[in-house]
Amino acid sequence: EAGVAQSPRYKIIEKRQSVAFWCNPISGHATLYWYQQILGQGPKLLIQFQNNGVVDDSQLPKDRFSAERLKGVDSTLKIQPAKLEDSAVYLCASSSPRGARTEAFFGQGTRLTVV
Amino acid sequence: GDSVTQMEGPVTLSEEAFLTINCTYTATGYPSLFWYVQYPGEGLQLLLKATKADDKGSNKGFEATYRKETTSFHLEKGSVQVSDSAVYFCALSGGNYGGSQGNLIFGKGTKLSVKP
Repeated sequence: EAGVAQSPRYKIIEKRQSVAFWCNPISGHATLYWYQQILGQGPKLLIQFQNNGVVDDSQLPKDRFSAERLKGVDSTLKIQPAKLEDSAVYLCASSSPRGARTEAFFGQGTRLTVV
Repeated sequence: GDSVTQMEGPVTLSEEAFLTINCTYTATGYPSLFWYVQYPGEGLQLLLKATKADDKGSNKGFEATYRKETTSFHLEKGSVQVSDSAVYFCALSGGNYGGSQGNLIFGKGTKLSVKP
């Protein structure tokens, strides 16, 4: 079974530039999550989708971050404009509410460096 | 709000030593509890979970018991190996939308290094 795919793996941008990350969840997983992991900390949930609807974006800095999940499959997370403190690993995860395993499966992440 | 506090590392052990990584939580309701592991260069993987009080999760020789009375979920392994070197994260489910358990609140992580 293919896992959660993310791209790119690494990205370096200057502050005030924009950047986008892409995620393809495990086939059939209705729920998709974006997490931000700052160095030395645990991941923090940014946004959760159920199919193509948002169910939790309470911790998403909406003045600069946006995310969409068109057609309920792939998702993109965008930052515009980026700040130095956005340097982090951005993790995508997916899960299914049905079956024996309802926990989240994580991709390898995109490491963003803002200079 | 809900939170997870886990023992800060790094933790360095010799092979075959006993491992304990402490984790306590604060939550309303009855969350599910998880341990995730991140091996060098890899993504987060679920190690074990427990969904209700007194449940014991176990996998690969690791165990953790959901203790509601002490709000704890300590990770233990009787004999660690070099291959267990990784970062371990304790987490609780912050929301349960229709059965999915991926809305998680994580601790800061504990880095474990096992020396031969």
